[in-house]
Amino acid sequence: LAKTTQPISMDSYEGQEVNITCSHNNIATNDYITWYQQFPSQGPRFIIQGYKTKVTNEVASLFIPADRKSSTLSLPRVSLSDTAVYYCLVGLTGGGNKLTFGTGTQLKVEL
Amino acid sequence: EPEVTQTPSHQVTQMGQEVILRCVPISNHLYFYWYRQILGQKVEFLVSFYNNEISEKSEIFDDQFSVERPDGSNFTLKIRSTKLEDSAMYFCAGEAPTSSYNEQFFGPGTRLTVL
Repeated sequence: LAKTTQPISMDSYEGQEVNITCSHNNIATNDYITWYQQFPSQGPRFIIQGYKTKVTNEVASLFIPADRKSSTLSLPRVSLSDTAVYYCLVGLTGGGNKLTFGTGTQLKVEL
Repeated sequence: EPEVTQTPSHQVTQMGQEVILRCVPISNHLYFYWYRQILGQKVEFLVSFYNNEISEKSEIFDDQFSVERPDGSNFTLKIRSTKLEDSAMYFCAGEAPTSSYNEQFFGPGTRLTVL
C-alpha cells in the first residue's frame, strides 16, 4: 500500500490560490490518486481523482508529474468555506475498494 | 441531490452495552462501508459490504462488531459490548457500481460516546 505524505497544515487568505502537494513515492502502476475534503464533524467528500498529467473539475485541479511520485491539489481563489482537512489517497479505483486515509492537511483560510 | 443519512446523530451509552448505528445509503449504491474517526485522529476503515456479505474488514472490526443490511435500504453497524475506546465518530459510506472513481459518498456520521 503506497504511503502518502502531506504537510500537516497550511494557511492562506481569501482569494488566493492554494496548492497542496502530496508525496507517494511507492505508488503502484494500477493506483490512482484521489483527494477528499473533510469539514469538522462531517464525513469526507470526494474532490477529484487522476492517474497522470492534469485533471480539472469545477472545484479543483490535480497535477500529476510523469513519474507519479507526487501530486498537487490546486484550489483556485479559496474562500473561508474552503477551511477543511484535505486528504490525498492512493489506491485502486472502481467499486468496492476501501479508502485509506492519512492524517491530511489542515487548510485554514482567513480574511 | 440524494444523500446518505445516519441515525442517531449522537449516541451516549454505558460501557458493555450494545449499540446499533443506522445508515440509509443512496438507493442505487451497491458497495457499503463503515469507517470511524476517533477525535483528532484519522479516518479508519472498518468494513466493506457487497452483495449482502462482508468483502473486507480491518483489524478493528473484531467479533464485537457486525454489519447487516436487513431490508435492502438500511445498513447497520452493531457493537455488541461497547468499550471506552469505541468512542468515535462512525461514518457510513456508499458507492455506485458504475463508478470509475474512488468516489464514496459519506453520511454525516454518528458520534458515539461510551461512558
